[in-house]
Amino acid sequence: QKEVEQNSGPLSVPEGAIASLNCTYSDRGSQSFFWYRQYSGKSPELIMFIYSNGDKEDGRFTAQLNKASQYVSLLIRDSQPSDSATYLCAVNGGGYQKVTFGTGTKLQVIP
Amino acid sequence: DVKVTQSSRYLVKRTGEKVFLECVQDMDHENMFWYRQDPGLGLRLIYFSYDVKMKEKGDIPEGYSVSREKKERFSLILESASTNQTSMYLCASSLPLTGNSPLHFGNGTRLTVT
Repeated sequence: QKEVEQNSGPLSVPEGAIASLNCTYSDRGSQSFFWYRQYSGKSPELIMFIYSNGDKEDGRFTAQLNKASQYVSLLIRDSQPSDSATYLCAVNGGGYQKVTFGTGTKLQVIP
Repeated sequence: DVKVTQSSRYLVKRTGEKVFLECVQDMDHENMFWYRQDPGLGLRLIYFSYDVKMKEKGDIPEGYSVSREKKERFSLILESASTNQTSMYLCASSLPLTGNSPLHFGNGTRLTVT
């Protein structure tokens, strides 16, 4: 079983719609959760992090965490073509200096 | 802003060569990491370091070694390059991974071994 799982996509949404990206993880002791965006040929850049159950909003982005279900998601409201990228979910096991990444979900926002 | 600089954007090496990939960060971060990224496999941790002269194996350390003689610099060494080491290599740094310390990535080095 993979430690961090994401649907590889591509996930296609029309411009202006809500994009929903999902991630599950296997380590119940995981403490911090990150979403990175990676454009083709570029390195990952942090979008947001979350470590408490519930929702965390930052502009058009909302991260949702449910530790009981071992599930974290990223919602992108009013999706723009510039949001087209691969989104990486990353999990920090806590107390151990290691971050594990999912393989990423490719998002395509159709104008 | 944190800046993580990788010495080369593209490298082409021959099988059996010794290869050095260099990474420098300017934010006095304790932690530094080397990942490789391959299609369908995502980011995989090769080695990381949480202090000068300290190193820990990641998930795929075979065929690699690292060096951290100064806090700002973390080098990845391929002792004898092989074609299966053709990949994108990403260096990252962070504060100690407690709470919400994100990784800051360099621009990557695309290594081709022929």
